[in-house]
Formats: sequence, structure tokens, C-alpha cells
Amino acid sequence: DSGVTQTPKHLITATGQRVTLRCSPRSGDLSVYWYQQSLDQGLQFLIQYYNGEERAKGNILERFSAQQFPDLHSELNLSSLELGDSALYFCASSRGTGLLTGELFFGEGSRLTVL
Amino acid sequence: SQELEQSPQSLIVQEGKNLTINCTSSKTLYGLYWYKQKYGEGLIFLMMLQKGGEEKSHEKITAKLDEKKQQSSLHITASQPSHAGIYLCGADMGTNAGKSTFGDGTTLTVKP
Repeated sequence: DSGVTQTPKHLITATGQRVTLRCSPRSGDLSVYWYQQSLDQGLQFLIQYYNGEERAKGNILERFSAQQFPDLHSELNLSSLELGDSALYFCASSRGTGLLTGELFFGEGSRLTVL
Repeated sequence: SQELEQSPQSLIVQEGKNLTINCTSSKTLYGLYWYKQKYGEGLIFLMMLQKGGEEKSHEKITAKLDEKKQQSSLHITASQPSHAGIYLCGADMGTNAGKSTFGDGTTLTVKP
């Protein structure tokens, strides 16, 4: 158990819909990262928050947004969903601001299926 | 990821055999991490390498970072079915940014 909690574990929805994925980081970790993993794209970095502020941005679509709340949990909002958004979405946390400051602890992921 | 290239993409070995997975970058890496993932599950940290020429071992897995800090290899000795999974290398490609990049992964199958 990594200490990172993601909900829901599975989600099935229709195209055009909006969903919210939630992540609770490990106790004491200030950074939260979101990744998307699909068969054809591999593990893609989406966005990172550090202590409530956006720290780094990767290949995140404009239809997607995220935030980190004062209690450090984070939410990833996916809107106007398309079939291609079906993937496993991972949240990870770390103490510091980047990989150099320590390992990332990954949650078990939220599997999103868009029909 | 085009920034980090892993090879091979997949590997099937007989139990007991040794194997090597490579991770290559065109840029100098500030830190290189190896993770293992069981299909559909989260990633589990294996090792971190930061210094050129560094080598670390954990049980039967050894990882090395070359002197130029642009290539890393993961070597498994006497593979076992429990070693099966997807191995990913990850690195921080910037100096201050937290952007983290992962390779596309190497899928390892170990035949008993």
C-alpha cells in the first residue's frame, strides 16, 4: 500500500459527459501528480501541483483541469469526454517538488471507460 | 515518451535466465528512476540513480547509470515469474520544473 488513495477505481461513462477523479496523497506529501496511461500512449504526465499551486504542466488537454485543495487532496476533472479519453489515470505524490527530491508514490489508478 | 526511450518494448525469457532493459535519453538526466508495474495496477518504486557511474542493487535487480548520465540499464539475474510485469524508467528532465517523464515501458514475461 503506497498510501495514495484514488477514487473511483472504475468509471464507465458516455461521450460528452464530465467526470471527476479524486486523489488523496500520502500523509505529509505536498506534491500531487496526475498521469494518463493508455495502451498506445504509455504513461503521460498531465499536471503537477505543489502545496495547492500548479507546478508543472505536461500533455494535458484543455478539456481537462485539476486542482489541489488546502487539505492537499487533488481532483482531476475531465469534460466533454471522447472515446480516446478511455485510460487508466494515476495519481502520485511526493514530499518535494520533483523526482529529484524523492520517489513518487503511485495510487492504484482510476480506470475510465468512455462508451 | 520520445524523451526517454526504452528497449526492448517487450521481452520473454525462460525462468532462470538473465536479462537487461535499457533506458536512453538524448539529454543529461538529473535523476533516473526505475519503477515496476503489474498490469492495471500502480507503479512501484525500485531504484533511484543520480550520479554518473552509479550502480545500485536490490535482491536480483541491478541498475546502472552511465557516466554521461544519458543511459541507464536494469539487469535482472536468474529471473523468476515474480519479476514479470512492466518496467518503466522515469526521469526529471528539467532543473526546477517538476515535470517528470517516463519511458514507454518494457513488458517482461518470465516463462516457468
